[in-house]
Amino acid sequence: AQKVTQAQTEISVVEKEDVTLDCVYETRDTTYYLFWYKQPPSGELVFLIRRNSFDEQNEISGRYSWNFQKSTSSFNFTITASQVVDSAVYFCALSEAEYTNAGKSTFGDGTTLTVKP
Amino acid sequence: DTGVSQDPRHKITKRGQNVTFRCDPISEHNRLYWYRQTLGQGPEFLTYFQNEAQLEKSRLLSDRFSAERPKGSFSTLEIQRTEQGDSAMYLCASTGTDSYEQYFGPGTRLTVT
Repeated sequence: AQKVTQAQTEISVVEKEDVTLDCVYETRDTTYYLFWYKQPPSGELVFLIRRNSFDEQNEISGRYSWNFQKSTSSFNFTITASQVVDSAVYFCALSEAEYTNAGKSTFGDGTTLTVKP
Repeated sequence: DTGVSQDPRHKITKRGQNVTFRCDPISEHNRLYWYRQTLGQGPEFLTYFQNEAQLEKSRLLSDRFSAERPKGSFSTLEIQRTEQGDSAMYLCASTGTDSYEQYFGPGTRLTVT
């Protein structure tokens, strides 16, 4: 069975601080996908990034960066120079790649990030 | 390009009543998912369609829940004989054939009194 653990329930930072959100996953599949989603106070989940299990290259996109380490089953997300608009709940998710289950995602319980001005 | 839409956005019902929710996915997406989210939790998978075929249903889903996607476009989720424990946000998501990231609708918040 798949499992996603986000140990940090809530994080509070002051604007312009860097913040890292942790995600640890469990799966028996050899091919899988990892995601981060953002759920702002308005409530709608927004896709941020996808990473394939066979691609361990880290990625930077503007103020966002992701660190995927298969050896430790972790997929951490860092926001550099945080802004108040980054305040949201962030979810890490895992999807199997088998055809019949393609895309069914298992989500962590989320990390609530509050960025104070 | 319009996103995923869900209707209604809010539903208040009395225990024992039946409710039906609708989801319209992004038009070119062939896969559609239903999730349930309660406060402080991540979305929990309920069921999944590829075109009109329902390929998987969560074991956590009781027989009171049923979903359809008759023409491979919009989908409906029906809950019969609602219970207070059914109170949650019901989320719909869709994705295209060669991608795995899901695009979510705004959700339907159900309150069972």
